[in-house]
Amino acid sequence: EVQLLESGGGLVQPGGSLRLSCAASGFTFSSYAMTWVRQAPGKGLEWVSTISGSGGSTNYADSVKGRFTISRDNSKNTLYLQMNGLRAEDTAVYFCAKVLGPSYFDYWGQGALVTVSS
Amino acid sequence: EIVLTQSPATLSLSPGERATLSCRASHNVSPYLAWYQQKPGQAPRLLIYDASNRATGIPARFSGSGSGTDFTLTISSLEPEDFAVYYCQQRSNWPYTFGQGTKLEIK
Repeated sequence: EVQLLESGGGLVQPGGSLRLSCAASGFTFSSYAMTWVRQAPGKGLEWVSTISGSGGSTNYADSVKGRFTISRDNSKNTLYLQMNGLRAEDTAVYFCAKVLGPSYFDYWGQGALVTVSS
Repeated sequence: EIVLTQSPATLSLSPGERATLSCRASHNVSPYLAWYQQKPGQAPRLLIYDASNRATGIPARFSGSGSGTDFTLTISSLEPEDFAVYYCQQRSNWPYTFGQGTKLEIK
């Protein structure tokens, strides 16, 4: 059974940093791209970033480019999202998801809440 | 950036009725469009990918159609558990984008 478990969310001040983790199990982690999608309170879904199975290729939404870094440790079956320079508008639930084929998201974690506020 | 516009914003129907949800893209995305279902407090669930392929474990009452810029999700006969928010998503071009969602509520 595929399981994805996010951790690392919390309250952070504007300009601060936070690192999210997503522990994966139930599939061959290194064989699949992984992604982060976020959802601001009461709002819709926003794609944030995707990383290839090897970690050699990454893509970012313009809204986070230069501030967020996606990475993975295939030896630990773990996906990361390093978030720097956080802004109030980054407040959201962050979901990690396994990528089906090129770019659909077939399994999702339960989400980690990130709140950026002073 | 490709903009996806979903309609209607809210759809009020009764169990047993047929639901038709629309997603219109600002540019051709065919066939790279997916549909997701999200219930309150839960993660989204992939229903349909590549416009018309049901994801693993998705009931046959869910179907997707369309091409080019116009796509439709149809639920043939609504079950109580189908009332939720539905999102479309395109993977034709970076950045991947989602529609704003259609809320399917019980009438």
